[in-house]
Amino acid sequence: KNEVEQSPQNLTAQEGEFITINCSYSVGISALHWLQQHPGGGIVSLFMLSSGKKKHGRLIATINIQEKHSSLHITASHPRDSAVYICAVHLLLDSNYQLIWGAGTKLIIKP
Amino acid sequence: NAGVTQTPKFRILKIGQSMTLQCAQDMNHNYMYWYRQDPGMGLKLIYYSVGAGITDKGEVPNGYNVSRSTTEDFPLRLELAAPSQTSVYFCASSFHYGYTFGSGTRLTVV
Repeated sequence: KNEVEQSPQNLTAQEGEFITINCSYSVGISALHWLQQHPGGGIVSLFMLSSGKKKHGRLIATINIQEKHSSLHITASHPRDSAVYICAVHLLLDSNYQLIWGAGTKLIIKP
Repeated sequence: NAGVTQTPKFRILKIGQSMTLQCAQDMNHNYMYWYRQDPGMGLKLIYYSVGAGITDKGEVPNGYNVSRSTTEDFPLRLELAAPSQTSVYFCASSFHYGYTFGSGTRLTVV
């Protein structure tokens, strides 16, 4: 069983739509990351959450520690938001902190 | 510019050849990582290091070796390249919870 599950795997939407990507995890974590990987391959860290909600521009990330669930929302989506969005949980493994990665959600925003 | 620098960006290897992927960071981060990403898949941890002189295996270490002689550098060595090692390789460093990634090395073994 994967420790980090993302849904949906693929998402296609029209420009302007409100986007939600979900992440569920099965273990106790110290933090959760949302990252963005553009078609060129570079990976950028968007948010790091340990509780509550964070907002940056049109991006909002929330986490519910009790339910082991996080969501990434994009408001007023734009074609430049097209990318793979990855959830990763930060946890203690073998006495060291490591990231366990979800498989990613491929988002395509059509003009 | 501060960050994680990976070289080379692209490389084609023949089966059985060896090479070293270079990774350097100038942020004085103790933790460094090597990941591989196969097409359509998530990142998998190959090796990581918690400081100079200390390395440990990740999820998929077979066929690779690392060293960490300085805080700044964390090279990944491929010995006897195999087609299964065709992938994109990412180096990353972290301090507490903040991660910085290199731009990746696209490796093809033919």
